[in-house]
Amino acid sequence: QQQVKQSPQSLIVQKGGISIINCAYENTAFDYFPWYQQFPGKGPALLIAIRPDVSEKKEGRFTISFNKSAKQFSLHIMDSQPGDSATYFCAAGPKETSGSRLTFGEGTQLTVNP
Amino acid sequence: NAGVTQTPKFRILKIGQSMTLQCTQDMNHNYMYWYRQDPGMGLKLIYYSVGAGITDKGEVPNGYNVSRSTTEDFPLRLELAAPSQTSVYFCASYGQGYNSPLHFGNGTRLTVT
Repeated sequence: QQQVKQSPQSLIVQKGGISIINCAYENTAFDYFPWYQQFPGKGPALLIAIRPDVSEKKEGRFTISFNKSAKQFSLHIMDSQPGDSATYFCAAGPKETSGSRLTFGEGTQLTVNP
Repeated sequence: NAGVTQTPKFRILKIGQSMTLQCTQDMNHNYMYWYRQDPGMGLKLIYYSVGAGITDKGEVPNGYNVSRSTTEDFPLRLELAAPSQTSVYFCASYGQGYNSPLHFGNGTRLTVT
């Protein structure tokens, strides 16, 4: 019940295209849904996060869509750029500990071709 | 701003050897974590600490030990290295507060042969 399932495992997109990464969770106690971005040789860094009281959150070219009834959330990267090439992790955390005890998805390696 | 610092960056161990992965943070965060990252497996929590003197097991603690004698430092100890411990290890800290992020170090790549 603690799992977070992420797909696809890898994704290749042309420059200017839309990248979409999906995640599904089981535990209804999860209350915080962040996305982390990781470049080679670096640790993950918070990209964008959402709480289930809203269905969508947008920051620049990055948007999280959240479907509470389906227990699914997704990351959309509009106008994808080669600099977006990285590994993306979705995660989920329970309300009482917010961002501290996160369960991570398996990761998606995104490649944006020029 | 150093953030979370991990040493060493790379290490090769022989089976049965021991080592300590160092982690220090300068943000005065109470919460600290050790994760391991394996290809296609995401980040798995090994151990975590909610403050100096307090540690607890995560999802995959077997073969590891931790201590937390100060707020700044959270070392991870491998006593008898095994090939299954070949991985990239990340230390992270968390400062609480609404939507506060995990701050990760840049990792230690460990190979056990």
